[in-house]
Amino acid sequence: GDSVTQMEGPVTLSEEAFLTINCTYTATGYPSLFWYVQYPGEGLQLLLKATKADDKGSNKGFEATYRKETTSFHLEKGSVQVSDSAVYFCALGAGGTSYGKLTFGQGTILTVHP
Amino acid sequence: GAGVSQTPSNKVTEKGKYVELRCDPISGHTALYWYRQSLGQGPEFLIYFQGTGAADDSGLPNDRFFAVRPEGSVSTLKIQRTERGDSAVYLCASSLMGGAHNEQFFGPGTRLTVL
Repeated sequence: GDSVTQMEGPVTLSEEAFLTINCTYTATGYPSLFWYVQYPGEGLQLLLKATKADDKGSNKGFEATYRKETTSFHLEKGSVQVSDSAVYFCALGAGGTSYGKLTFGQGTILTVHP
Repeated sequence: GAGVSQTPSNKVTEKGKYVELRCDPISGHTALYWYRQSLGQGPEFLIYFQGTGAADDSGLPNDRFFAVRPEGSVSTLKIQRTERGDSAVYLCASSLMGGAHNEQFFGPGTRLTVL
């Protein structure tokens, strides 16, 4: 079945540091890929998405590229801020008869210090 | 506009009791999903509704779990004979339509604690 593996956390960085959170997936067919973020005390919200191979999703300075050859969708940001502290989830949206149900990774806790 | 809402926000019950969790999706969204999130884990899919019908209930763990969406809007997740292992945050999400490309909008969740 479909699965998503995220790098183990938590991740602790200083402000303005470079961020990478690794995500790899296993899927049949042609899934869409998502990064969701959960800020403290808030619900899950979509950060960015890519719907086909070589697409790059971007939002709020974050980027991720859908790499079919390496089955990866790593999240990057060039300069993190304290306000980026949150839990980040990589997710796969299944196509076909799965109607887009999401399979999530286990989440990565990011803490950014001033 | 209003987002996805879920009630109650917290529910504490005793082992063996019956509970109902409610989800109000974004108006006009035809697709509705239920997920369950245990501590330190990502959400796990439970069931998907397209309109009034459950198009995919493959994630329901056993026959104690049941969900309905009788008018194609509000949905209720029902858990019979609750067990301590059912303790988790239950998340509801809706999207304009089903499909892998469509963004799902999540509610704040209901935290269920079974004593």
